[in-house]
Amino acid sequence: GAGVSQSPRYKVAKRGQDVALRCDPISGHVSLFWYQQALGQGPEFLTYFQNEAQLDKSGLPSDRFFAERPEGSVSTLKIQRTQQEDSAVYLCASSPRETVDNEQFFGPGTRLTVL
Amino acid sequence: KQEVTQIPAALSVPEGENLVLNCSFTDSAIYNLQWFRQDPGKGLTSLLLIQSSQREQTSGRLNASLDKSSGRSTLYIAASQPGDSATYLCAVSGVTGGGNKLTFGTGTQLKVEL
Repeated sequence: GAGVSQSPRYKVAKRGQDVALRCDPISGHVSLFWYQQALGQGPEFLTYFQNEAQLDKSGLPSDRFFAERPEGSVSTLKIQRTQQEDSAVYLCASSPRETVDNEQFFGPGTRLTVL
Repeated sequence: KQEVTQIPAALSVPEGENLVLNCSFTDSAIYNLQWFRQDPGKGLTSLLLIQSSQREQTSGRLNASLDKSSGRSTLYIAASQPGDSATYLCAVSGVTGGGNKLTFGTGTQLKVEL
C-alpha cells in the first residue's frame, strides 16, 4: 500500500514569502506528526494531530508556523514570512492509533530553502 | 528535558564487519525506542521498535537491545554490506512528552566500504 507522501519535495522561497507544505498520511492513520530536520541534525518535533484535533503544538518555533488537518486526513504546514533559519527538511509521519506505543511511519520530507 | 546522544557520530568499516551503534537517553521514563535509517535526501525508514517492556528486537542482520534503567540502546549490524551505508537515528517516545512525539539523536553516519 501507499506510504506517507509529501509535496512538494523541494521548495525554494525568497525571504518573506509564505509557503505551504502538504502531507498525505497512510490511509486510516489516526495520528499525524510534523518534524523539522536541520542539516546534520536529528528531526525535532513540531506538532501532533489526533484525527483533526491538534493536541500538541509545543514544538512550533514561532507564531509564523501554523498547521492544520481539517478533515482528519491530509495536513498542511504553513510558514508565514519565511526566514533563512526556516531552511530545513520538514518531515511528516503518521501512526495507526492514538495510543502511545505505536510506530511512526515517515514520508520522504520537503526540503525548504529560504534565500 | 529528554536528550538523546548517539556515538559515534561517524563510522567507516570494511565490508563484512560486525558493528555496534550506541544510543543513550537521559530520561528512562519512555514508552518505546525506535531505530531508523536515513539515506541521503530521503525520509526515515523504521528498522526496529522496542517497547519499554522489551529487552531486544531482531530483524534479519539487525539486533537492537534496550536497557531502560541505564538509558541505553545498541544497534548491532552483522556482516555489514555497502548497502548498509546510511545515517542511523535512534528516537525515544517519552512519558513526559505524553508519548506522542519522538526525541531523536543526531545520528551515526555509517559507511561500509568494499
